[in-house]
Amino acid sequence: DGGITQSPKYLFRKEGQNVTLSCEQNLNHDAMYWYRQDPGQGLRLIYYSQIVNDFQKGDIAEGYSVSREKKESFPLTVTSAQKNPTAFYLCASSFGQGAETQYFGPGTRLLVL
Amino acid sequence: AQSVTQPDIHITVSEGASLELRCNYSYGATPYLFWYVQSPGQGLQLLLKYFSGDTLVQGIKGFEAEFKRSQSSFNLRKPSVHWSDAAEYFCAVGAGITGGGNKLTFGTGTQLKVEL
Repeated sequence: DGGITQSPKYLFRKEGQNVTLSCEQNLNHDAMYWYRQDPGQGLRLIYYSQIVNDFQKGDIAEGYSVSREKKESFPLTVTSAQKNPTAFYLCASSFGQGAETQYFGPGTRLLVL
Repeated sequence: AQSVTQPDIHITVSEGASLELRCNYSYGATPYLFWYVQSPGQGLQLLLKYFSGDTLVQGIKGFEAEFKRSQSSFNLRKPSVHWSDAAEYFCAVGAGITGGGNKLTFGTGTQLKVEL
């Protein structure tokens, strides 16, 4: 089955700790995206990548970092600089052709201990 | 900059009743418009999309939406709601990015409750 997988489903972060959220897709999509979802605020774009080894900041990139070493994978690291990391994180991908649909993974909920 | 407004935070309808969820957007050019649905703790599922052409678009699960340029609206409708439609619904506007892909701007969502 083609799709997007995110792991883990739940993640707990301790004070001062960096944590990494995994996103993998087997849809052969070029573009991948990370969103943060908070109650009542919709989804906000953190980072996006249009091609391997390249990525761009979204609207709320501070405190986050990404890498895109493989087409299939776009991990997100929530660093200790992100002071309010508790949220639901969603990964998405698309073909990267412009007018197109983004497909979403099941999400990772990050909680702070 | 593009923006999306979903004026209704919560809507409650009876099962079998009709439904309309409102969405207004702001965008300088012809927009790409989407409706997604999200069940609790889950990712987003695409209901339907508008890129160009016929302004009335059909989606999955019996949903439809109508693009009205003069009103900058893209309202979602369903003639008869089922209890399983209870979820959160997001409207989004997309803009192409130089180099490929598109940037989606989402509304804050409308939570739909269905009374049996």
